[in-house]
Amino acid sequence: DTGVSQDPRHKITKRGQNVTFRCDPISEHNRLYWYRQTLGQGPEFLTYFQNEAQLEKSRLLSDRFSAERPKGSFSTLEIQRTEQGDSAMYLCASSPQGPPSGAFFGQGTRLTVV
Amino acid sequence: DQQVKQNSPSLSVQEGRISILNCDYTNSMFDYFLWYKKYPAEGPTFLISISSIKDKNEDGRFTVFLNKSAKHLSLHIVPSQPGDSAVYFCAASGVDSSASKIIFGSGTRLSIRP
Repeated sequence: DTGVSQDPRHKITKRGQNVTFRCDPISEHNRLYWYRQTLGQGPEFLTYFQNEAQLEKSRLLSDRFSAERPKGSFSTLEIQRTEQGDSAMYLCASSPQGPPSGAFFGQGTRLTVV
Repeated sequence: DQQVKQNSPSLSVQEGRISILNCDYTNSMFDYFLWYKKYPAEGPTFLISISSIKDKNEDGRFTVFLNKSAKHLSLHIVPSQPGDSAVYFCAASGVDSSASKIIFGSGTRLSIRP
């Protein structure tokens, strides 16, 4: 098991373009989280899946953001019509069922909107 | 509304001494508390957790203390080592599926000086 994998590691895009990020969680982890982190801040919760069901979405997740987890395995996070304020590190994490003994994070995708 | 607060953005400790990182929370419904460590350009790494039914959990050089009445927890690192220099995030979570998102504080940058 290689841990949580995120792709790409870096993405530079022009304002107005759409971007999609992928997250492959640790196998058999049924919980998957997306977070966003900006400089000097802690990770901010965006959304959470249990298997393929999206159970919670943050108010931070505007209509331009959508996340999916088909078949309860990998997940994608799409941002449509990107804005400069979307520039951040996007982190994915997974954890097993039960008490959150510790969600395991990927290395993140750094998005820069120019 | 910051549910998890780390009021010290930075801390400098001499190598070999004890490092104490503090965290306060506001939501009495949190069941689990976690500490994560983050190096630059990497995702957060789970360090140690504590259930709300305990007041102390120890793992090697790391000990977490929980004071529920004060809604306060702390992470003790002893002895501090150069490799401990990183940003430390306090986090909190519920247990059931409706409260499984992990809420992070803004982090404390720990620097271990020789």
